[in-house]
Amino acid sequence: AQSVTQPDIHITVSEGASLELRCNYSYGATPYLFWYVQSPGQGLQLLLKYFSGDTLVQGIKGFEAEFKRSQSSFNLRKPSVHWSDAAEYFCAVAPSNDYKLSFGAGTTVTVRA
Amino acid sequence: SAVISQKPSRDICQRGTSLTIQCQVDSQVTMMFWYRQQPGQSLTLIATANQGSEATYESGFVIDKFPISRPNLTFSTLTVSNMSPEDSSIYLCSVATLTGRNEQFFGPGTRLTVL
Repeated sequence: AQSVTQPDIHITVSEGASLELRCNYSYGATPYLFWYVQSPGQGLQLLLKYFSGDTLVQGIKGFEAEFKRSQSSFNLRKPSVHWSDAAEYFCAVAPSNDYKLSFGAGTTVTVRA
Repeated sequence: SAVISQKPSRDICQRGTSLTIQCQVDSQVTMMFWYRQQPGQSLTLIATANQGSEATYESGFVIDKFPISRPNLTFSTLTVSNMSPEDSSIYLCSVATLTGRNEQFFGPGTRLTVL
């Protein structure tokens, strides 16, 4: 069975600083990989996705993620965070032949002025 | 991407009652799903809503507790039956298309509190 681990429950970062959120997955083959963001009181918004090809993917809001097969990781990064980036971030995986998403526990990002 | 709406956006209900949540999409989609997000937790898939047939439930979820309908390609309902305080959660629907390569879009969620 596939599983997703987000090791960091909570991260605090200063506005303008860089941000990296970790995600590790366990799956027999390379799954499809996603990052979602959930702002307070909101639903989930897709930030970016990886299916195949270039291992560095660009998403919305200035986010990018890098797929590293050898480490079974799909870490999310942003060079300079804005106060509006304060939210809950979820990493998710799905098999290439199934729609079922498995979510990590989430990482809460707090941005301090 | 699809635009998804859910009704109600939030509700406070009494123990033992039932609540039906609606999910409407602005375009025809192939797959519709229902998730539960318990307080401070991640999302857990409840079931896949199948058009014209019974929903496919994940382990730990049963039709008697969470009956689901999907009469057409743009609409689905989830009922939370005989509610208890443990059912207090955010319930989200999501959709995917055959061309979306497993990409799912989520509705805004329904925040349910059971007293």
